[in-house]
Amino acid sequence: NAGVTQTPKFQVLKTGQSMTLQCAQDMNHEYMSWYRQDPGMGLRLIHYSVGAGITDQGEVPNGYNVSRSTTEDFPLRLLSAAPSQTSVYFCASSRGTSGGGTGELFFGEGSRLTVL
Amino acid sequence: KNQVEQSPQSLIILEGKNCTLQCNYTVSPFSNLRWYKQDTGRGPVSLTIMTFSENTKSNGRYTATLDADTKQSSLHITASQLSDSASYICVVNTNAGKSTFGDGTTLTVKP
Repeated sequence: NAGVTQTPKFQVLKTGQSMTLQCAQDMNHEYMSWYRQDPGMGLRLIHYSVGAGITDQGEVPNGYNVSRSTTEDFPLRLLSAAPSQTSVYFCASSRGTSGGGTGELFFGEGSRLTVL
Repeated sequence: KNQVEQSPQSLIILEGKNCTLQCNYTVSPFSNLRWYKQDTGRGPVSLTIMTFSENTKSNGRYTATLDADTKQSSLHITASQLSDSASYICVVNTNAGKSTFGDGTTLTVKP
């Protein structure tokens, strides 16, 4: 089973460039979410979705956009990259629309982004 | 404000020794608490879930406890192995589907 797949694993950007982090899951989970993990700060929720066509902001949404056109895919877009967005990004999915509230979160392997 | 505090921030133990990680929370209304293990360079993986009515639950050498009255949980690791070296993250969930993450405890097991 592939589970949650993130691409790319590593990316270097210059300030002002845009890019998309891809996330796909093959478990037919309704809930998907994006987190960033910075040293010593734990995981912080960026955006989440409780189903196709539905997205909402998390704790740190500024500078990021998401869309959910299918159940399987939940891409994260950086509109104009800034050095403050240097981080490790994790995508996760969970069964049920309540997401992390009741269900186990299944995480991808992470995407390490460096913005110069 | 919902908060999850984990201690210690980091811990170094010798292989074969036991250790206990702590998680205190102020999340309300409480639904469940999960412990995740995150190996270096990998995504977190769920170890165990604790609901309101559960006091203790074991998963191999990992034993989680929950005291819902004092809002405290612990994760005890018995006879540690080198592969236990990881970050352990406590996540508390509300009935409304909101998750609050702790900052994690980094455990290093030395031979």
